Amino acid sequence: EPEVTQTPSHQVTQMGQEVILRCVPISNHLYFYWYRQILGQKVEFLVSFYNNEISEKSEIFDDQFSVERPDGSNFTLKIRSTKLEDSAMYFCASGRDRYEQYFGPGTRLTVT
Amino acid sequence: RKEVEQDPGPFNVPEGATVAFNCTYSNSASQSFFWYRQDCRKEPKLLMSVYSSGNEDGRFTAQLNRASQYISLLIRDSKLSDSATYLCVVSFNTDKLIFGTGTRLQVFP
Repeated sequence: EPEVTQTPSHQVTQMGQEVILRCVPISNHLYFYWYRQILGQKVEFLVSFYNNEISEKSEIFDDQFSVERPDGSNFTLKIRSTKLEDSAMYFCASGRDRYEQYFGPGTRLTVT
Repeated sequence: RKEVEQDPGPFNVPEGATVAFNCTYSNSASQSFFWYRQDCRKEPKLLMSVYSSGNEDGRFTAQLNRASQYISLLIRDSKLSDSATYLCVVSFNTDKLIFGTGTRLQVFP
């Protein structure tokens, strides 16, 4: 059964550094997403991406965040200058259509 | 009022029991409804979509009441492997999924 994959599984970075989180969505999916979950809290939407552009983004997704689909398979989330409060689990998700989304295993980001 | 509200639990039930979770949502324009399960420190996994007529998948039954803005999940014949957090999720005709905080279920032998 095809799955969304994410790398790395855990990233530790210092405040102010740039990080890139990587995702390989399921191959025939067209819709791509990033969510995050701060420890002990609910899953929160960050951004959706379709047809090589952002279709929707949340208030969390400010100028420090960007997404890219650099080739036919990868989907990346970049945080330009990390803050302590960016520490969270970041989940990539993909879907064949706009309704059912399948999540990757997540990247745990720790900002020190 | 929270967009999606769930009783956090935990619900502690013996194997074989039937357990039901409820969820309410605030936006009457919500159009898509789902139940996901999440194991500790893992990703949410789609359990089932919820349709207006209600739907069943094996031991799991989901119901939607649009008038009351209420979704339910019933699990029959609970297994130890059902222990997880169950997330109620809605969307308002956009891609954005809105998650509840989840209801924790612990099934004991």
